[in-house]
Amino acid sequence: SQTIHQWPATLVQPVGSPLSLECTVEGTSNPNLYWYRQAAGRGLQLLFYSVGIGQISSEVPQNLSASRPQDRQFILSSKKLLLSDSGFYLCAWGDRVAQYFGPGTRLTVL
Amino acid sequence: ELKVEQNPLFLSMQEGKNYTIYCNYSTTSDRLYWYRQDPGKSLESLFVLLSNGAVKQEGRLMASLDTKARLSTLHITAAVHDLSATYFCAVDTGYNFNKFYFGSGTKLNVKP
Repeated sequence: SQTIHQWPATLVQPVGSPLSLECTVEGTSNPNLYWYRQAAGRGLQLLFYSVGIGQISSEVPQNLSASRPQDRQFILSSKKLLLSDSGFYLCAWGDRVAQYFGPGTRLTVL
Repeated sequence: ELKVEQNPLFLSMQEGKNYTIYCNYSTTSDRLYWYRQDPGKSLESLFVLLSNGAVKQEGRLMASLDTKARLSTLHITAAVHDLSATYFCAVDTGYNFNKFYFGSGTKLNVKP
């Protein structure tokens, strides 16, 4: 069966510091991969999606970037965090039928 | 761009009562999903509806899809406190790499 991992689970970072969040999927090949952000008490905002290694599509222009160095690895990065980057970051993998979410990373930028 | 609207956004109800959450969307699609999110947790898949007239039931929850009306409903029967959570619907047009469009969520509070 498929499993999706995210780490770290929680992160507290100062404004202006870099960021790297990692997502890995097990048990499937060539999945679509997605990064979402959820602000406190809000809905989901799609940030990036990828249909293959090195193929990244950005939905919202901002100071975040994503990379997919391996088939089942998806990384979300920033060179300098802003206060507005705080939120709950969810990685998801998708097949032709549905999307399945990881446990999430809660990021607080102070 | 496809828009997905849920209502109500907040729902407080007594245990034992029935209620329905509505999900309207703005463009043609026959793929709709319902997710549950507990506070501080990730999204859990509840229902996958892939055709007009699809109806799925799990316990006290039943979801249906009317693609002609561009409407899905999530019906709660005899609510219990454990159903308290936020419920999201999402629509997939089947194009654009299965990009999902999410509603704003319905926060359900079932009072014991």
